[in-house]
Amino acid sequence: SQTIHQWPATLVQPVGSPLSLECTVEGTSNPNLYWYRQAAGRGLQLLFYSVGIGQISSEVPQNLSASRPQDRQFILSSKKLLLSDSGFYLCAWSGGGVNPDTQYFGPGTRLTVL
Amino acid sequence: AQKITQTQPGMFVQEKEAVTLDCTYDTSDPSYGLFWYKQPSSGEMIFLIYQGSYDQQNATEGRYSLNFQKARKSANLVISASQLGDSAMYFCAMREGGSEKLVFGKGTKLTVNP
Repeated sequence: SQTIHQWPATLVQPVGSPLSLECTVEGTSNPNLYWYRQAAGRGLQLLFYSVGIGQISSEVPQNLSASRPQDRQFILSSKKLLLSDSGFYLCAWSGGGVNPDTQYFGPGTRLTVL
Repeated sequence: AQKITQTQPGMFVQEKEAVTLDCTYDTSDPSYGLFWYKQPSSGEMIFLIYQGSYDQQNATEGRYSLNFQKARKSANLVISASQLGDSAMYFCAMREGGSEKLVFGKGTKLTVNP
């Protein structure tokens, strides 16, 4: 069966510091990968998605970037964090299961920028 | 314009009773998918059920069923025999054909009372 991992689970970072969040998927190959952000009490907003190694599409221009160095690894980064980057970051994958369009989410990373 | 509308910020239901969570959507694409996710306080987004725009029958998954009314552009989630563990946020989401993006509603907070 497929599993998706995210780390760290929680993170507190000062403004202006760099960021690296990692997501890995097990049990499938060539998944589509996604990064979402959820502000407090809101729905999810798609930030980036990737359909293959090195292929990144950005949905919202902002202070963040994404990379996919390996088939099942997706990384969210920032060179300098802003207060507005605080939120709950969720990684997801699709491409398997009964319906290949269904996105399955990881446990998330709660980021607080102070 | 909002693509996914969930008009119920909060809902209450007695244990063992059924509850309906409302979702309306807006799209001009004839091909689309509708999803429901559950988000408990831990934060993880748990996939519940999927309905494709061309599916003739309403989707069902255990105690979850989707009341799909295409002409009215509604995709309400019905939870039968509510359990205390059903207390969570519930999000409706849509993916239009050819798009990798899941668009989420603002969610409904369901509380199951003993």
